Amino acid sequence: EVQLVESGGGLVQPGGSLRLSCSASGFTFSNFPMHWVRQAPGKGLEYVSAISSNGGRTYYADSMKGRFTISRDNSKNTLYLQMSSLKAEDTALYYCIKDGAIDGAVTATTYFDYWGQGTLVTVSS
Amino acid sequence: DIQMTQSPSSLSASIGDRVTITCRASQTISSYLNWYQQKPRKAPNLLIYAASSLQSGVPSRFSGSGSGSDFTLTISSLQPEDFATYYCQQSYTTPFTFGPGTKVDIK
Repeated sequence: EVQLVESGGGLVQPGGSLRLSCSASGFTFSNFPMHWVRQAPGKGLEYVSAISSNGGRTYYADSMKGRFTISRDNSKNTLYLQMSSLKAEDTALYYCIKDGAIDGAVTATTYFDYWGQGTLVTVSS
Repeated sequence: DIQMTQSPSSLSASIGDRVTITCRASQTISSYLNWYQQKPRKAPNLLIYAASSLQSGVPSRFSGSGSGSDFTLTISSLQPEDFATYYCQQSYTTPFTFGPGTKVDIK
């Protein structure tokens, strides 16, 4: 059974930093691209970032570029999202997602077949 | 970035109704369009990928169609467990943007 368990969320002051982690199990983690998507309270889904299966390629939404860094440790089956210069508008539930396409690269055949339950990040003074 | 729109933003329907939700991309995205269902306080769940491929385990009353920039999600006979919010998402290019969602509730 595929499981994705996020951790690391919490309350942080504007301008602060936070690192989210996602522990994966039930599949060969190193074969699949991974993604982060967020959802502000009461709002829709917003794409955050993606990483290829070997970590060699990363992608970001424009509003996160330069502030967020996605990475992975395939030896630990763990995905990360390092967030810095946090703003109030970054307050959201952050989901870790497995890509359904097994080709390793982040391509147009991407689809999100498994989601974690999310970790809540609150940016407030 | 590719902008995604959905219509309607919400709808009320009865059990057994046929429900259609449309999604439009700001440019052509071929068939790189996915649909998700989200129930309150739950993570989204993949329904349809590549515009018309039914995800394993998803009931056959869900179907998707379209290509280019216009797409449709159809629920052939609405069931009680289908009351939820539905999102489309393009995977043609990063960032893989989502539509704003369509909330389906009980009439």
